[in-house]
Amino acid sequence: EPEVTQTPSHQVTQMGQEVILRCVPISNHLYFYWYRQILGQKVEFLVSFYNNEISEKSEIFDDQFSVERPDGSNFTLKIRSTKLEDSAMYFCASSPRTGGTDTQYFGPGTRLTVL
Amino acid sequence: GNSVTQMEGPVTLSEEAFLTINCTYTATGYPSLFWYVQYPGEGLQLLLKATKADDKGSNKGFEATYRKETTSFHLEKGSVQVSDSAVYFCALSQGGSEKLVFGKGTKLTVNP
Repeated sequence: EPEVTQTPSHQVTQMGQEVILRCVPISNHLYFYWYRQILGQKVEFLVSFYNNEISEKSEIFDDQFSVERPDGSNFTLKIRSTKLEDSAMYFCASSPRTGGTDTQYFGPGTRLTVL
Repeated sequence: GNSVTQMEGPVTLSEEAFLTINCTYTATGYPSLFWYVQYPGEGLQLLLKATKADDKGSNKGFEATYRKETTSFHLEKGSVQVSDSAVYFCALSQGGSEKLVFGKGTKLTVNP
């Protein structure tokens, strides 16, 4: 069964450094998402991406964040200058159609630790 | 805005016990409702969903019915197993928005 994959599984970085989290969505899906889960808290929506542009973003997704689909398979989340509070599990998801009624399929996550 | 409220955990049950995890929502219009499960060390997996009022989602012995009148989507299972130990998340999405809105999650531990 096709699945969403994410790399790395765990990333440790120093505060102020840039990180890029990578995701390979399911191949025939058109909509892509990033969510994050700070330890012990809710899973929070960050951004959705369709047709090579952001279709929706949350207030968390400020100028420090960016997303890109650099080729036909990868979908990346970049944090330009990491802060301690960016430490979280980051989940990528994809769906074949808009998420209003369709299922979003999640990857296993990347645990980001900012020191 | 839209929100989801789940019963606080953790929940600890013995094997073969009956499970209910309550979930209520606040939304305008008619959202789609989901239950996701997160097993230890893994990502989120869709457990079941319902897209309109009175629909029942079911999977792996779990069920939830979309109740518009009570704005609820409670998760039930008649006989839990040790392998059901996980964190369960109720979520909604709404036409016009891409995002899933999650509840806080309920940790279930099933003891043999």
